[in-house]
Amino acid sequence: AQTVTQSQPEMSVQEAETVTLSCTYDTSESDYYLFWYKQPPSRQMILVIRQEAYKQQNATENRFSVNFQKAAKSFSLKISDSQLGDAAMYFCAYRTPFYYNQGGKLIFGQGTELSVKP
Amino acid sequence: EAQVTQNPRYLITVTGKKLTVTCSQNMNHEYMSWYRQDPGLGLRQIYYSMNVEVTDKGDVPEGYKVSRKEKRNFPLILESPSPNQTSLYFCASSPGTGRGGDTEAFFGQGTRLTVV
Repeated sequence: AQTVTQSQPEMSVQEAETVTLSCTYDTSESDYYLFWYKQPPSRQMILVIRQEAYKQQNATENRFSVNFQKAAKSFSLKISDSQLGDAAMYFCAYRTPFYYNQGGKLIFGQGTELSVKP
Repeated sequence: EAQVTQNPRYLITVTGKKLTVTCSQNMNHEYMSWYRQDPGLGLRQIYYSMNVEVTDKGDVPEGYKVSRKEKRNFPLILESPSPNQTSLYFCASSPGTGRGGDTEAFFGQGTRLTVV
């Protein structure tokens, strides 16, 4: 069974600095998708960034980028120029394609609570 | 506006009193699912549905029921709630057709349930 692990329950960063959140996963599959979701105090789940496993190029979305290491099964999130609005719980998630048996399920890590200091 | 709507957002109930949390999406998505979020455990899938009249268990289905009579609606039913079902619940939908953007999950606003 697939698992996702976020080993940093809490992280802190100074405003305008860079922070990296770690995520590792375990799977025997070759085709899958990885996501980072942000959950602010409003509880809304917001997609930050997505990575397809078959793409070697690391995904980027403005100040957010990932370091995807498929062989190491590692998927870290880098936030550059941190802003106060980045403070939130961040979840790493793994998803198998829908055509897999019981496919489409999102498997989440435990979450990392990020605080941003002014 | 494309969205997933859950109701209610907050609910306090007593042990054993049946309740339903509604979920509706207006994006014509095939795939819908329910998750519960607990501290230190992340989100875990309860049930999912690949299409109308097709539902299946996720990782933590005990104590829950679902139905998918229409494509847009996917209610979560707790026939006899117990205190260990106190949690934050999310409904999510996806196009469900495979690669790329079709894999993105759209989440409802969440339902905070307390069972006393």
